[in-house]
Amino acid sequence: GAGVSQSPSNKVTEKGKDVELRCDPISGHTALYWYRQSLGQGLEFLIYFQGNSAPDKSGLPSDRFSAERTGGSVSTLTIQRTQQEDSAVYLCASSLAGQGLGNTIYFGEGSWLTVV
Amino acid sequence: AQSVTQLDSHVSVSEGTPVLLRCNYSSSYSPSLFWYVQHPNKGLQLLLKYTSAATLVKGINGFEAEFKKSETSFHLTKPSAHMSDAAEYFCVVNLATGNQFYFGTGTSLTVIP
Repeated sequence: GAGVSQSPSNKVTEKGKDVELRCDPISGHTALYWYRQSLGQGLEFLIYFQGNSAPDKSGLPSDRFSAERTGGSVSTLTIQRTQQEDSAVYLCASSLAGQGLGNTIYFGEGSWLTVV
Repeated sequence: AQSVTQLDSHVSVSEGTPVLLRCNYSSSYSPSLFWYVQHPNKGLQLLLKYTSAATLVKGINGFEAEFKKSETSFHLTKPSAHMSDAAEYFCVVNLATGNQFYFGTGTSLTVIP
């Protein structure tokens, strides 16, 4: 597509429920990133996918968080047993490749998650 | 090791006056540097980027930034602020050998009418 697409744009869920957030990167982009932005805060790196390489999961805050990327394109971020502190904007981004000067990261509009 | 420091968490300017948002980085390698803008309830939009070409980079909406290696800085400027510039601004660093983009903590710009 023309840009990074994320769904849902807004999600309200009850504490303890599982949620799935979807990201469709820019066509041809091999690198995909997930970030979390809590209210009034900066961006927190969660996970990075590059082609067929093993993902960099070093930013995932707990084992309740997981992500997969099927066919090197669409990615799903799953949060199990949601907690109120999971409430945040989850931003997905993609770039043409992970390495190399000049690669630019393009963001989606975000998925706004509220856990009540 | 590398990091990005945005020196001001909040900047307030009057409409029509210059804008200066400061960013310093630390890196052992030649970095790529970016500025992104985030309007309320929106995603991040690229303003401009530096990738070892001209040190003065021009971006969208009249913004520009100058890469100063000696000062390890990449400050964002605009000659005349507009009300629509009110937003959160993020300075970002990426290494040629790395696969992560390192974000500053953001600067909130307020434009006073």
